[in-house]
Amino acid sequence: SQTIHQWPATLVQPVGSPLSLECTVEGTSNPNLYWYRQAAGRGLQLLFYSVGIGQISSEVPQNLSASRPQDRQFILSSKKLLLSDSGFYLCAWQRQTRYEQYFGPGTRLTVT
Amino acid sequence: DQQVKQNSPSLSVQEGRISILNCDYTNSMFDYFLWYKKYPAEGPTFLISISSIKDKNEDGRFTVFLNKSAKHLSLHIVPSQPGDSAVYFCAASVGRNYGQNFVFGPGTRLSVLP
Repeated sequence: SQTIHQWPATLVQPVGSPLSLECTVEGTSNPNLYWYRQAAGRGLQLLFYSVGIGQISSEVPQNLSASRPQDRQFILSSKKLLLSDSGFYLCAWQRQTRYEQYFGPGTRLTVT
Repeated sequence: DQQVKQNSPSLSVQEGRISILNCDYTNSMFDYFLWYKKYPAEGPTFLISISSIKDKNEDGRFTVFLNKSAKHLSLHIVPSQPGDSAVYFCAASVGRNYGQNFVFGPGTRLSVLP
């Protein structure tokens, strides 16, 4: 069976500090991978998606970046965090021929 | 501009009764729709989906109805159970690329009262 891991579960970072969130998927190969953010009281906002190693598409201009160094690893980064980067960050995977996306447990990021 | 709307932020239903969660969309190009359920501090879990070539899809206690002319879909849960208490998101996509361009609604918090 497939599993998706995200870490850390919670993170408190000061404004201007760097960020690195990691997501890994097990039990499948060549998945599409996604990063979403859920701000308080809001829906899910797609940040990045990837259809393969090194292939990243950005949906929203921001100070975040994403990388996919391995088939089942997806990393969300920032060089300098802003207060507005606070939120709940979710990684998801998807089979390339299916619509359903399967989400990880999420990371709660608080920028102070 | 919100392309996917869930106009009821919250809904309370008695256990055993029907829960109806609504979702409206503005983009007539959307042709695939999904519902997700989310508990606090967890990722959403996929519930049920529907393609625009259908008007109904059923899976156990969950049924999704699609009214394309009204650009409206609804999720029916019958009978509702306390464990159904969660936030429900609808998501819509244009069918190319299997939904890499999903748009999520803001969610409706369902509370099922014992």
